[in-house]
Amino acid sequence: AQSVTQLGSHVSVSEGALVLLRCNYSSSVPPYLFWYVQYPNQGLQLLLKYTSAATLVKGINGFEAEFKKSETSFHLTKPSAHMSDAAEYFCAVSDRGSGTYKYIFGTGTRLKVLA
Amino acid sequence: GAGVSQSPRYKVAKRGQDVALRCDPISGHVSLFWYQQALGQGPEFLTYFQNEAQLDKSGLPSDRFFAERPEGSVSTLKIQRTQQEDSAVYLCASSLDRDSGNTIYFGEGSWLTVV
Repeated sequence: AQSVTQLGSHVSVSEGALVLLRCNYSSSVPPYLFWYVQYPNQGLQLLLKYTSAATLVKGINGFEAEFKKSETSFHLTKPSAHMSDAAEYFCAVSDRGSGTYKYIFGTGTRLKVLA
Repeated sequence: GAGVSQSPRYKVAKRGQDVALRCDPISGHVSLFWYQQALGQGPEFLTYFQNEAQLDKSGLPSDRFFAERPEGSVSTLKIQRTQQEDSAVYLCASSLDRDSGNTIYFGEGSWLTVV
């Protein structure tokens, strides 16, 4: 069965510092992987996704993530944090090509950006 | 509209009351999902439609929960005899087709509070 683990329910970084949000997955087949962001009182917005092309995926707002099969990881990074990055971030996994369609989400990481 | 639209945005229900939550997906999207997001948690899968067919309802927590999409577009999630543990945000999402690598687009959610 698929699952996603996000290490660290809360992460604080200083403005301008590196952002690193961790995601590890478990899947019986090579998965599709996603990062979503949720601002207060809003729905989820896709940041980026991995669907088997390049292992380093670039997304919106300067975020990127690297798929590492050997580590079963898909960590999200951004070189320099902005105040506007403060939000909740969710990693999600979906099995590919098996006819399944469920997206399994992690429990989320709340990012706080300190001035 | 351009995005997934949900109504009502906020609903306060007395325990035991029935509620109906509406989702208007992106025009032309075949796949429609309902997720439940409790406070401080990630979205949890409830049910999935492909056009009007409900292909998976394994995430519905009890037989008090019922979802339909009779014409393959608008969907309604109905909760009968609401209980306090039903308090959550109910997120609707849609995607172009059932390819699990497709991006799913979320609405802003319906916030249900049961008192």
